[in-house]
Amino acid sequence: NAGVTQTPKFQVLKTGQSMTLQCAQDMNHEYMSWYRQDPGMGLRLIHYSVGAGITDQGEVPNGYNVSRSTTEDFPLRLLSAAPSQTSVYFCASSRGGAGDTQYFGPGTRLTVL
Amino acid sequence: GEDVEQSLFLSVREGDSSVINCTYTDSSSTYLYWYKQEPGAGLQLLTYIFSNMDMKQDQRLTVLLNKKDKHLSLRIADTQTGDSAIYFCAEGNTGGFKTIFGAGTRLFVKA
Repeated sequence: NAGVTQTPKFQVLKTGQSMTLQCAQDMNHEYMSWYRQDPGMGLRLIHYSVGAGITDQGEVPNGYNVSRSTTEDFPLRLLSAAPSQTSVYFCASSRGGAGDTQYFGPGTRLTVL
Repeated sequence: GEDVEQSLFLSVREGDSSVINCTYTDSSSTYLYWYKQEPGAGLQLLTYIFSNMDMKQDQRLTVLLNKKDKHLSLRIADTQTGDSAIYFCAEGNTGGFKTIFGAGTRLFVKA
């Protein structure tokens, strides 16, 4: 199993550009999440999904969209990039059972100029 | 709202024990987690403890939970240079996807 994969690893955008961060998992996990990691702030939940076709907002959803058309994929879209979205983005998946752990992807480092 | 707090830095000598502390606010959390993040990598689960337990030991790792004070600690025995990383405390419930993370404690191990 490849686990959770994310592409790209690095990205530089100009303010106002849009892009999609890709996330895929091959563990047949129902639950998938997107987090952003900023210095001194830990991980903050952006959006999550409890299954194909079902998504919901996390703690910091503004400026981001998600969709979940398949179990495997959970892309994160930045609609109009802003410097405040400069961060490291992590995708995670889990089976969703009680106490089940999350498996994290390697992260995408995004810089918005 | 829910909050998880931990100190940002810890420095120890190789061979010593490291103790990383964490406090949390949500008393309804079912699980408390410790994750490790090495440079340039994602988070890896180290261990977790159910909220109805006081202690869990896993090889060099010992987790202590004080539910009354909402205090969680991670002790790493015989700390090695390979243990240098950021350690995240987290609290969560079913599914794990709404886990609340602390800011992370950066552990430096001096040879």
